[in-house]
Amino acid sequence: DTGVSQDPRHKITKRGQNVTFRCDPISEHNRLYWYRQTLGQGPEFLTYFQNEAQLEKSRLLSDRFSAERPKGSFSTLEIQRTEQGDSAMYLCASSPGGLAYEQYFGPGTRLTVT
Amino acid sequence: DQQVKQNSPSLSVQEGRISILNCDYTNSMFDYFLWYKKYPAEGPTFLISISSIKDKNEDGRFTVFLNKSAKHLSLHIVPSQPGDSAVYFCAASLSGGYQKVTFGIGTKLQVIP
Repeated sequence: DTGVSQDPRHKITKRGQNVTFRCDPISEHNRLYWYRQTLGQGPEFLTYFQNEAQLEKSRLLSDRFSAERPKGSFSTLEIQRTEQGDSAMYLCASSPGGLAYEQYFGPGTRLTVT
Repeated sequence: DQQVKQNSPSLSVQEGRISILNCDYTNSMFDYFLWYKKYPAEGPTFLISISSIKDKNEDGRFTVFLNKSAKHLSLHIVPSQPGDSAVYFCAASLSGGYQKVTFGIGTKLQVIP
């Protein structure tokens, strides 16, 4: 296990469809984060898990978004009834917890809603 | 409300010279600062960090300086190499909890051979 992996890398969907993304963190990391990055912006925090518990959700995460991390391992991010404004890069990151501030990012999933 | 600001969207530097990337922040409660580097089609990669109790941290060619009174930090790359060409994100975190990180919008560095 050399890093955080995300699947798929690219997703093109039509407006109104549901999509689901998967993130596999570094195996010993108990903290997992989802971010969204749009063109010309830095990553924006969406949500955070400590093991299987979702401890914070950004106001950016509307009711159409849901994230899970069953058993504290991989995580999924689902977007229901996608809108064109959802088009972005969705980044997952993990960290070992404790006093470690550094987060390790996956390559991202680029979502295009047509 | 942009709490972490990178006011230079791009920077071009000759190979071998010094690259200086700047970052300002507004939240005085931030106490840990990080720089990430991002290549196209990849996720950000952690580069270097500094705690608010320090004013300088060095790692090889990379040095980060923190001026708490001015709420300003900078990343120095010496000497700059073409492989350093990337987007650099400044980020800041609050202590405690899960260390939620707030990112700036990035500065695109181009190192010209």
